[in-house]
Amino acid sequence: GAVVSQHPSWVICKSGTSVKIECRSLDFQATTMFWYRQFPKQSLMLMATSNEGSKATYEQGVEKDKFLINHASLTLSTLTVTSAHPEDSSFYICSARDRTGGSYEQYFGPGTRLTVT
Amino acid sequence: GIQVEQSPPDLILQEGANSTLRCNFSDSVNNLQWFHQNPWGQLINLFYIPSGTKQNGRLSATTVATERYSLLYISSSQTTDSGVYFCAVRLVFGKGTKLTVNP
Repeated sequence: GAVVSQHPSWVICKSGTSVKIECRSLDFQATTMFWYRQFPKQSLMLMATSNEGSKATYEQGVEKDKFLINHASLTLSTLTVTSAHPEDSSFYICSARDRTGGSYEQYFGPGTRLTVT
Repeated sequence: GIQVEQSPPDLILQEGANSTLRCNFSDSVNNLQWFHQNPWGQLINLFYIPSGTKQNGRLSATTVATERYSLLYISSSQTTDSGVYFCAVRLVFGKGTKLTVNP
């Protein structure tokens, strides 16, 4: 149980275009999902917290107009990188919480590798 | 915000050896997890352990919340244990420990 999927697993796009990444909880309902970013050989940095039916909460320094997050249902959150530039190239990972048992445990998706040319 | 420090940053072992990875954190915790990131980037949940001790096969973990640290023990290491081990406290990740197990 507690499986999280992401799509696509990798994407290459041209500078100036937008890319949408989907994060789905497959076998549980996730009232909260999280988006992280990881640069090569570095740790994960939390970008934003996505709550179903409300606006996302962004971490300091994360441009909310560049990284649009939508959490339209209890099983789906999307991250759209708008007007992507080469510096946005990174590994993006989502996670979700299943709070039914009161746990704060996070389950991670497999990640999306974005390359902007 | 909360600070999470992991040590050592790198660890090289011979197959069969035991190891201890440490995670120190700066504030009270209601959520602490250990992960193994595989070469493809997938984070594998090892333990959800805000307090106490858990064991799963060759791996075990202990969190002493009052002293603000957690330990991950790997016994009889195997080459497949290689990778980066992360500790995450609340939503903050440490920098990880890169483990290399040589045959």
